[in-house]
Amino acid sequence: GDSVTQMEGPVTLSEEAFLTINCTYTATGYPSLFWYVQYPGEGLQLLLKATKADDKGSNKGFEATYRKETTSFHLEKGSVQVSDSAVYFCALSDRDTGGFKTIFGAGTRLFVKA
Amino acid sequence: EAQVTQNPRYLITVTGKKLTVTCSQNMNHEYMSWYRQDPGLGLRQIYYSMNVEVTDKGDVPEGYKVSRKEKRNFPLILESPSPNQTSLYFCASSPYDSYSYEQYFGPGTRLTVT
Repeated sequence: GDSVTQMEGPVTLSEEAFLTINCTYTATGYPSLFWYVQYPGEGLQLLLKATKADDKGSNKGFEATYRKETTSFHLEKGSVQVSDSAVYFCALSDRDTGGFKTIFGAGTRLFVKA
Repeated sequence: EAQVTQNPRYLITVTGKKLTVTCSQNMNHEYMSWYRQDPGLGLRQIYYSMNVEVTDKGDVPEGYKVSRKEKRNFPLILESPSPNQTSLYFCASSPYDSYSYEQYFGPGTRLTVT
């Protein structure tokens, strides 16, 4: 079945450092890929998405490119801020019987120090 | 304001005492879903609904029930809660754009079963 694997955390960085959170997936179809972010005490919110191979999703300085050849969707940001401290979830969604199905990775917690 | 609301936000209960967690969305979305979030496991889907009176099992449906009598509401019912259902629960909705499947999440309900 479909699955999502993302790097374990926590990841601790200093402010203005470069961020990479790795995400790889397995899927039988042609899924859409997402990064969701969860700030402390809140629900998940969509950070960015890509719906087909070679698409690049971007938002708030974060980027991720849908790489079908390596089945990856790594999240990057050139200069992190303290306010980026959160848990980041990689996810895929694909058409399924009766609707669509979403598989989430385990989440990666990011701490950014001032 | 477009949003998904859940009630209650926090609940402590005892084994076997029936409970309902409500979920409501004001975005006229067809698709709604329930997830549970456990440390190291990410989010796992419990049930989802493509439209009124249409529901289907996710990955971890045992011990849960749902109903979808109105488009905006999707309550989660635990008829006989057990300690292994202690978790953080999220409701989500989606406009079910066939090219996207992005979801909007509620703030979460933290349930403790003693």
